[in-house]
Amino acid sequence: GAGVSQSPSNKVTEKGKDVELRCDPISGHTALYWYRQSLGQGLEFLIYFQGNSAPDKSGLPSDRFSAERTGGSVSTLTIQRTQQEDSAVYLCASSLNPGRAGNTIYFGEGSWLTVV
Amino acid sequence: AQKVTQAQTEISVVEKEDVTLDCVYETRDTTYYLFWYKQPPSGELVFLIRRNSFDEQNEISGRYSWNFQKSTSSFNFTITASQVVDSAVYFCALSELGGGADGLTFGKGTHLIIQP
Repeated sequence: GAGVSQSPSNKVTEKGKDVELRCDPISGHTALYWYRQSLGQGLEFLIYFQGNSAPDKSGLPSDRFSAERTGGSVSTLTIQRTQQEDSAVYLCASSLNPGRAGNTIYFGEGSWLTVV
Repeated sequence: AQKVTQAQTEISVVEKEDVTLDCVYETRDTTYYLFWYKQPPSGELVFLIRRNSFDEQNEISGRYSWNFQKSTSSFNFTITASQVVDSAVYFCALSELGGGADGLTFGKGTHLIIQP
């Protein structure tokens, strides 16, 4: 596609429920990233995919968070047993060449998650 | 460790004023890249510029200009004759060679408000 596409754009869920957030990167981009942005905060790195593998999962805040990527394209970020502190904007991004400094990373519009 | 500091949390100016957004970075690498992104209210992060550590030439793009000074580890962004559409959160970011996930570290962002 022309840009990084994320769905849903907005999600309100009850505490304790599981949620899935989807990201469709720019066509041909092999690197895919998930970031989290809490209200008034900067961007927090969550996980990075190179193809279908995730060499860097260091940013996942707890074992309730997981992500997968299939076919070197679409990725799903899953949050199990959501908590109120999970409320944030989850931003997905992609870049052309993985593992090289200086790659320009292009972001989607984000999925706004609210846990009530 | 790499670090990006955007000391200005929020700036408010009247339309047509010039405004400078500060960015100070820390890195031990001699090869690195600096970025600026714009995040309008829609939420999508829009790529503005990428500079490498070997190119200290200032850059101008329309009303936007960037001043890269290695001596002070700064990469400041100036908007000339600001417009209401410039209102957004602006993020400065650093990428180091060999860093995980492209080593992209973001500052906390500066919220720029342009009043009509």
